[in-house]
Amino acid sequence: EPEVTQTPSHQVTQMGQEVILRCVPISNHLYFYWYRQILGQKVEFLVSFYNNEISEKSEIFDDQFSVERPDGSNFTLKIRSTKLEDSAMYFCASNEAGPRGTQYFGPGTRLTVL
Amino acid sequence: QKEVEQNSGPLSVPEGAIASLNCTYSDRGSQSFFWYRQYSGKSPELIMFIYSNGDKEDGRFTAQLNKASQYVSLLIRDSQPSDSATYLCAVTASGGSYIPTFGRGTSLIVHP
Repeated sequence: EPEVTQTPSHQVTQMGQEVILRCVPISNHLYFYWYRQILGQKVEFLVSFYNNEISEKSEIFDDQFSVERPDGSNFTLKIRSTKLEDSAMYFCASNEAGPRGTQYFGPGTRLTVL
Repeated sequence: QKEVEQNSGPLSVPEGAIASLNCTYSDRGSQSFFWYRQYSGKSPELIMFIYSNGDKEDGRFTAQLNKASQYVSLLIRDSQPSDSATYLCAVTASGGSYIPTFGRGTSLIVHP
């Protein structure tokens, strides 16, 4: 069964460093999403992406964040200058049916900022 | 501010019992309603979705939606220890944005 994959599973970085989190959505899906979940907190929407552009973003997704689809398979989230409060699980999700469709989540990347 | 509220629990039920998980939401125009299961340290896994008022059954799971009361619930029949997890309610907004808002989740413990 097709699934969303994410790499790395765990990323440790120093405050102020840039990180890139990678996702490979399910191959026939066209809508991609990033969420984060701080330990013990809610899953929070960051950004949605369709047709090579951002379709919606939350107030969390400020100028330090960016997304890119550098090729036909990868979908990346870049955090330019990490802060301690960026430590969280980051989940990528995708779906084929657009915003109303059900989203399939990847296994997540645990980001630890020291 | 669109809110999705869940009792954090833990809800503890014996094996074989029915577990009832509840969720309320603030946006009266909400369109779609999802239940996800999340094991500790893992990603959310979709269990069910429901769009219309009433009940929707899938195996041991039943989702119930009451839009007038802004209430959605998940019933798990014949609960198993493997059902022990956090259950997340997610609701998509009205007004053109279908991005889901998640609740904090209810921790379910099924004891043998």
